[in-house]
Amino acid sequence: DAGVIQSPRHEVTEMGQEVTLRCKPISGHNSLFWYRQTMMRGLELLIYFNNNVPIDDSGMPEDRFSAKMPNASFSTLKIQPSEPRDSAVYFCASSPDRTDTQYFGPGTRLTVL
Amino acid sequence: AQSVTQLGSHVSVSEGALVLLRCNYSSSVPPYLFWYVQYPNQGLQLLLKYTSAATLVKGINGFEAEFKKSETSFHLTKPSAHMSDAAEYFCAVSDQGFQKLVFGTGTRLLVSP
Repeated sequence: DAGVIQSPRHEVTEMGQEVTLRCKPISGHNSLFWYRQTMMRGLELLIYFNNNVPIDDSGMPEDRFSAKMPNASFSTLKIQPSEPRDSAVYFCASSPDRTDTQYFGPGTRLTVL
Repeated sequence: AQSVTQLGSHVSVSEGALVLLRCNYSSSVPPYLFWYVQYPNQGLQLLLKYTSAATLVKGINGFEAEFKKSETSFHLTKPSAHMSDAAEYFCAVSDQGFQKLVFGTGTRLLVSP
């Protein structure tokens, strides 16, 4: 079985540009999570979905960040406009349901110049 | 609010030596506790989890952890380190089952020959 798939793996952009990160969860998983990892703040939960519905977005840093899950096999995390302080590794994770382990993707390394 | 403290950002051991990575948690309710491992340029992989069953939990790759409520600790151990154990290890706590994990800052394990 393929694991969680994230694209792109690396993204370099300039300040002010829109950035879209993509995630394909493991087939059959009903929960999806977006995390951000930085040296300063460690690994933080940004938002999570159950059955495509956002449950908790309290970790989203500001209105420049938005996440969607239009169907069970795809989610996006968008940053508009991007800023240098958004530079981080963004992880997507999925789990079979709300009572099971989270499986992490390989991450997207975002650099905003 | 729940939180996790990992003592020591770096731990160095010799191959064959005991591995001990420390984790203390804070939670207002009986917690779920997790240890994840992250290899370079990869996502996080679950090592083991505590979900209020047996206090001594065995995980993959020979690791185990013991939940000690009186000490609010969940330290990770392995009797004999292997070179392949070199990675970053994260402790996480949740007071909402498997959903909203709060991660520690991580401990990088270095294994020397």
